[in-house]
Amino acid sequence: GPKVLQIPSHQIIDMGQMVTLNCDPVSNHLYFYWYKQILGQQMEFLVNFYNGKVMEKSKLFKDQFSVERPDGSYFTLKIQPTALEDSAVYFCASRGTITEVFFGKGTRLTVV
Amino acid sequence: AQSVDQPDAHVTLSEGASLELRCSYSYSAAPYLFWYVQYPGQSLQFLLKYITGDTVVKGTKGFEAEFRKSNSSFNLKKSPAHWSDSAKYFCALEGGGSNAKLTFGKGTKLSVKS
Repeated sequence: GPKVLQIPSHQIIDMGQMVTLNCDPVSNHLYFYWYKQILGQQMEFLVNFYNGKVMEKSKLFKDQFSVERPDGSYFTLKIQPTALEDSAVYFCASRGTITEVFFGKGTRLTVV
Repeated sequence: AQSVDQPDAHVTLSEGASLELRCSYSYSAAPYLFWYVQYPGQSLQFLLKYITGDTVVKGTKGFEAEFRKSNSSFNLKKSPAHWSDSAKYFCALEGGGSNAKLTFGKGTKLSVKS
C-alpha cells in the first residue's frame, strides 16, 4: 500500500542545535501533517500544510518550529534551536482528498 | 473545539473472548471517525473509518465499529480476539473542512492473553 517514508528513524542531537526531520509523503497526496508523540502518550497534532502553506498549527508548534516542502521534494520539520522537551517521536502523515491519512514510521528525536 | 475520549487506558482479556474498546467524542457537527492501531515501535495503521451511511463499519483485521450519535460513541469491536491483536488502539476524529486534522484519544492498550 501507499507509504510515507521518514528519514532518519532516529536522531540524537545536542540541545540548542538545529535538526531537520524529513518526510517523503505518498505520491500525489496534497495534505501533509506532523504529529508529536511523547513516549506512551497520544499523538498530538502539530501542523498541517497544503499548497505550500501552513493551514493550521497547534500550540505545540512553537516559534522554533518551521515546515516547508521546497519544489515538491521532502516535507520537512525544522526545529531551531532544539530544547529537551522536544524529545519525542515525530510522525509525518499525508492524505489525498477524502481518504484515510497515511502515517510514516516516525523519527525518534532525542535532545541531550 | 473537538475532543476524543478513550476512558480505558488498559484492557486485558483472554484469547477467544470478545473485545470492545470504548471511544466517545465531542464535536458540534457530523464527525468523521477513525480507529488506528499501533504496534510497539511502529507507526499507526488504519483500521476503519466512519464518514456517513451505515453506522456499523467493518475494517481490516476483522474489526468493526459502531457509530452511535445518541451517545457520541464509536466503539471498536472484534470477536474472537487473538493474541496478535495486542497493541495500542487510538480513536480519532476529523472535524471536516479542508484542514482535515485528526484529533486523537489517549489510546487504549490492549493485552490479549493466550
